[in-house]
Order: sequence, then structure tokens, then C-alpha cells
Amino acid sequence: AQSVTQLDSQVPVFEEAPVELRCNYSSSVSVYLFWYVQYPNQGLQLLLKYLSGSTLVKGINGFEAEFNKSQTSFHLRKPSVHISDTAEYFCAVSDKASGTYKYIFGTGTRLKVLA
Amino acid sequence: NAGVMQNPRHLVRRRGQEARLRCSPMKGHSHVYWYRQLPEEGLKFMVYLQKENIIDESGMPKERFSAEFPKEGPSILRIQQVVRGDSAAYFCASSPQAAGGGEQYFGPGTRLTVT
Repeated sequence: AQSVTQLDSQVPVFEEAPVELRCNYSSSVSVYLFWYVQYPNQGLQLLLKYLSGSTLVKGINGFEAEFNKSQTSFHLRKPSVHISDTAEYFCAVSDKASGTYKYIFGTGTRLKVLA
Repeated sequence: NAGVMQNPRHLVRRRGQEARLRCSPMKGHSHVYWYRQLPEEGLKFMVYLQKENIIDESGMPKERFSAEFPKEGPSILRIQQVVRGDSAAYFCASSPQAAGGGEQYFGPGTRLTVT
């Protein structure tokens, strides 16, 4: 069964510094990959997605991610973070094998941007 | 185009009562997914429905939980005889198809507290 690992539960970083949030998944067999952001007491907002094509995906708010099939990774990066980026970030894989495309989520990474 | 609507946003129930959570998908979307987020955890898939059909309920607890998506009206997640362990945020997501070519759109969630 597909699984998603976000190794870092919390990542503190100073404002204007770069950040990378790591995501690994268990199977590289034809996956769709997503990163979502969740602000406190709110729903999930899509940051970016990988369906096919270019392995470097650009999303909203200056975020980007790179699909690496050999390492089964989909790490999220931003070159310069802002205080407003403080939130929880979830990596998700779409379960194509089941035909339902339900999401399997990682446990989340809490990004805290420090002034 | 209004987004995914969920109500109520907050729900408090005493142990043993019933909880009904409603989800109105985006206009034109006929696929609904329900996820549960326990405190300090990621989101876990519960059930996937299309209009009038349950497609995949592999993530639903075997007892007390049920879901429906009638031809008219919102999707309903029903929890009978709630227990403290049911306290969580419940998110609904919709897609125009089986999300194979794109993302799921999430609602703001219903936060259930069982006292």
C-alpha cells in the first residue's frame, strides 16, 4: 500500500532564509503528488501538484517542488520565506491504483518562520 | 463560484449523541471525499462517494459511522453514539471527476468536540 513520509514534524527558519520540507512516498508507480498548506483552524489550500511532465513544479506563493522518481521524493522548497508562511504543510499522494484517487497524506510539517 | 461548503464549522456533542456533518461540493462536482484529522495528526481518508453511490468506504470505522450523497442536497457524514475519540476535524473535498487529472478542493472543515 502507498504511504507518505514527512520526516520533519517541525521546521523553524528565520525570515528571508530558504527552506526545504521533505516528502518521500513508498511507490513510484505512476503517482500524482500534491502539496497543501493549512493555516490554523482552516481548510487545506493547494500549493502545487505534479501529474506528469516537467519534474520541477512551480506553485503559488513562491513555492516549488521537484519530483524525483529514483528517490521517490517530492520535496517542497522556497528560496526566501515570510512570516506569513507559518503554517502546516501536507504532502499527499493520489492513490491511482485503487481507481478512486483518494489521497494518502503525510503527517504534516509545521513551518515556523521567525522574525 | 462558491467553494466547498461545510456546516456546521464547530459542533459540540455529549457522549452518546448523534453528529451530522454536511458538505456541499463545488458547483458541477459530483465526487466527494471525506477525511478525518485527529489532533496533531495528518488527514486520513474515510469515504469516497459519487451521487447516490458509495464507491470506497475502506477508511470508515465499521460501526457508528455512515455517509451518503443523495441526488439532491449535500453529502452527509453521520456519527451515531459519539465517543470522545471521535473528537477531530472532519474535512470534505470535492472534484469534478475522480480527481485523476487534478486536485481535490477542500472545505473549511467541521471541528467536532465530544464532551
